[in-house]
Amino acid sequence: KAGVTQTPRYLIKTRGQQVTLSCSPISGHRSVSWYQQTPGQGLQFLFEYFSETQRNKGNFPGRFSGRQFSNSRSEMNVSTLELGDSALYLCASSLEGGSRRDTIYFGEGSWLTVV
Amino acid sequence: QKEVEQNSGPLSVPEGAIASLNCTYSDRGSQSFFWYRQYSGKSPELIMFIYSNGDKEDGRFTAQLNKASQYVSLLIRDSQPSDSATYLCAVHNAGNMLTFGGGTRLMVKP
Repeated sequence: KAGVTQTPRYLIKTRGQQVTLSCSPISGHRSVSWYQQTPGQGLQFLFEYFSETQRNKGNFPGRFSGRQFSNSRSEMNVSTLELGDSALYLCASSLEGGSRRDTIYFGEGSWLTVV
Repeated sequence: QKEVEQNSGPLSVPEGAIASLNCTYSDRGSQSFFWYRQYSGKSPELIMFIYSNGDKEDGRFTAQLNKASQYVSLLIRDSQPSDSATYLCAVHNAGNMLTFGGGTRLMVKP
């Protein structure tokens, strides 16, 4: 059974550009969430999607956005990149995302460097 | 604000010893609790999760939950050098949203 797949794994962007990251959840999983990990702030929740709807949102500016498709695949977009956006972006998937028995798995992440 | 606290470490234990990692959380409504292991440069890897008071064992790992004290711990028996990593405690509050602690760095010395 394939795990959570994230693409691209590594990318370098210039300040002011935008970036789109992709996540394919584990087959059958309908809930996808995104996290940002930086050395200074640790792992922080960005947003969660379930059945193509954003269900929860973290405390990030509007430059960070996402969407989910009917096949549960998800993308996140960061516009007008800043140096501080350099981070590991992680996608996590779970079956429904609403049960305490739900297991939450992470993908390998996308390393974004903004120069 | 929901908080999850962990001692940043490093926690140093000799090979073969028991490593004890601790975590406290502020939200009494939290439903389940996860432990992830993260090696440097890698993504978090799920070790186990627990949602009922008491102990849950899986191989060399035991998670312990005490909701009254808002405390969750992870015991690693027979610690190996390969267990050296950062251990992240995460609290599941709603949907697929986890709130993470800052992580505890564990060093197992041969």
